[in-house]
Amino acid sequence: TQLLEQSPQFLSIQEGENLTVYCNSSSVFSSLQWYRQEPGEGPVLLVTVVTGGEVKKLKRLTFQFGDARKDSSLHITAAQPGDTGLYLCAGAKGAQKLVFGQGTRLTINP
Amino acid sequence: KAGVTQTPRYLIKTRGQQVTLSCSPISGHRSVSWYQQTPGQGLQFLFEYFSETQRNKGNFPGRFSGRQFSNSRSEMNVSTLELGDSALYLCASSLVVAGGIQETQYFGPGTRLLVL
Repeated sequence: TQLLEQSPQFLSIQEGENLTVYCNSSSVFSSLQWYRQEPGEGPVLLVTVVTGGEVKKLKRLTFQFGDARKDSSLHITAAQPGDTGLYLCAGAKGAQKLVFGQGTRLTINP
Repeated sequence: KAGVTQTPRYLIKTRGQQVTLSCSPISGHRSVSWYQQTPGQGLQFLFEYFSETQRNKGNFPGRFSGRQFSNSRSEMNVSTLELGDSALYLCASSLVVAGGIQETQYFGPGTRLLVL
């Protein structure tokens, strides 16, 4: 059973378009992290959200943590080819192991 | 501050062999976690070590083992390799604060293992 469900699993859009990736769970997390991974490399942390309802912005990327701390979204405005990669969300529950979603493979076409 | 380093970056083995992978965490990080990543299964948790003790364990067979040294460096070992063990093995380190709470994990570049 996948505790964190990401959708969509695959997304291919044109440069300049907007997109949203979702990370959903029935479990409550103390924090949630978003990573981006490029081929042949390890995931690189983008952001950590901790408070329910929290919104964080990283240039054209906007991250939101749900009020109940069970879900999160990543919105990218005016996508660029450099945004291409595998986006992973991961939920933390105190001292327990980090739980990862299956990932969203994003391709931005020039 | 140097990031998480993993060696080797690439490895080719044959079925039945064993392999040892190494991970050096970020200085000051005492928790090291290992993950297996494959296209079909995604990122699967193997185990976590903290202060030389295994603190959490995933659902992998006993052929997968690990250890952590006093300087927080960690190794994982896979014995009797199978074709299905071909994967990217990732190591991540993190701080552990009061109450055993694990902070953000920082990943290394991974070791790409191919079993023939």
